[in-house]
Amino acid sequence: TQLLEQSPQFLSIQEGENLTVYCNSSSVFSSLQWYRQEPGEGPVLLVTVVTGGEVKKLKRLTFQFGDARKDSSLHITAAQPGDTGLYLCAGEEETSGSRLTFGEGTQLTVNP
Amino acid sequence: NAGVTQTPKFRILKIGQSMTLQCAQDMNHNYMYWYRQDPGMGLKLIYYSVGAGITDKGEVPNGYNVSRSTTEDFPLRLELAAPSQTSVYFCASSYLTVNYGYTFGSGTRLTVV
Repeated sequence: TQLLEQSPQFLSIQEGENLTVYCNSSSVFSSLQWYRQEPGEGPVLLVTVVTGGEVKKLKRLTFQFGDARKDSSLHITAAQPGDTGLYLCAGEEETSGSRLTFGEGTQLTVNP
Repeated sequence: NAGVTQTPKFRILKIGQSMTLQCAQDMNHNYMYWYRQDPGMGLKLIYYSVGAGITDKGEVPNGYNVSRSTTEDFPLRLELAAPSQTSVYFCASSYLTVNYGYTFGSGTRLTVV
């Protein structure tokens, strides 16, 4: 059983469309992070959210942490081909500390 | 500033062989981690370390060993390689706590035949 469930697993859209990726769990997290990974490279941190209900914006990307700190979403406005990549959510469980648990990832393809 | 450096980038091993995956960071990060990434399975934690001389098992430690003699280096040892260990291995580090986020290396692609 995956601790962090991401949906959808695959997403293929046209340039200019909007999209939302979800990250859900039954566990409570102290913090949650989103990463983007490109082929042949390691994941790169996009954002960290730590407060329930927190919303952070990074240009066309909007990240939200659920009020109960069990879920998160990533919304991309007017997607561009450069947004193509594997998006991973990762959470630090309240009981674990010191390490992150990763979701399975959402593979996004933005077609020109 | 090199960040996290992993070597080698690619390796093919025969069943039963051993090897060490190297990981070094130059950011003076206390925390270091080893993950493996299989298609559609996300990243699974193998071992981690919160400082020199301290290591702990993660979710999938069987078949692997680690050591942390210095802050900078965190090698991962594979003994008696098996086909199930075919994967991409990522080393990461973080400063003080995970809230600062991980810095990842570029990975080692290992194939066991």
